[in-house]
Amino acid sequence: EVQLVESGGAVVQPGGSLRVSCSASGFTFKDYTMHWVRQPPRKGLEWVSLINWDGSRTYYADSVKGRFTISRDNSKNSLYLQMNSLTVEDTALYYCAKNLGPGVSPYYFGCWGQGTLVTVSS
Amino acid sequence: DIVMTQTPLFSSVTLGQPASISCRSSQSLVHSGGDTHLSWLQQRPGLRPRLLIYNISDRFSGVPDRFSGSGAGTDSTLKISRVEAEDVGVYYCMQTTQFSRVTFGQGTKLEIK
Repeated sequence: EVQLVESGGAVVQPGGSLRVSCSASGFTFKDYTMHWVRQPPRKGLEWVSLINWDGSRTYYADSVKGRFTISRDNSKNSLYLQMNSLTVEDTALYYCAKNLGPGVSPYYFGCWGQGTLVTVSS
Repeated sequence: DIVMTQTPLFSSVTLGQPASISCRSSQSLVHSGGDTHLSWLQQRPGLRPRLLIYNISDRFSGVPDRFSGSGAGTDSTLKISRVEAEDVGVYYCMQTTQFSRVTFGQGTKLEIK
């Protein structure tokens, strides 16, 4: 069974940094593109970033570009999101998602974790 | 960025009756390879999102066949043939044709009348 478990969410002051993680199991992690999506409280979904299977390609939403860094460690079946210069607008539930198909398959978000809450507040 | 516009934003449906949600994109979602990278997600109250439909009309594994997707180009539709109580939640369309700038619709809240 595919499982994605996010962790690392916390309350952070504006301007601070945080790294959230996603631990994957139940599939061959190294073969799949992975995604981060966030959802502010009582709002809709916002795509944050994606990283291809081997980490050679990464893409970011304009709202986080230059502040957030996505990475992965295929030896640990783990996905990460390093978040710097956080603002109150970054407050959200952060989900990791597994691509539907492996390799260079089209990007569809086939399986989602339960999310980890990041709150930016003074 | 490709803007995804859903209508309606709120839908109240009687149990057993059909429901339909439309999604319009600001530009064509037909990928260079011929596929249309439009998908639909369901988010039940308090739960994580779940993939329902991908490639505009392919049903994801385990999704009941009362859910169907259709459309082409800039217009797509999610239909529920007979709404059940477990279908309550928010439905999102999303495009990944422009994969470096993935975008979602605003979400449509479905409730039982």
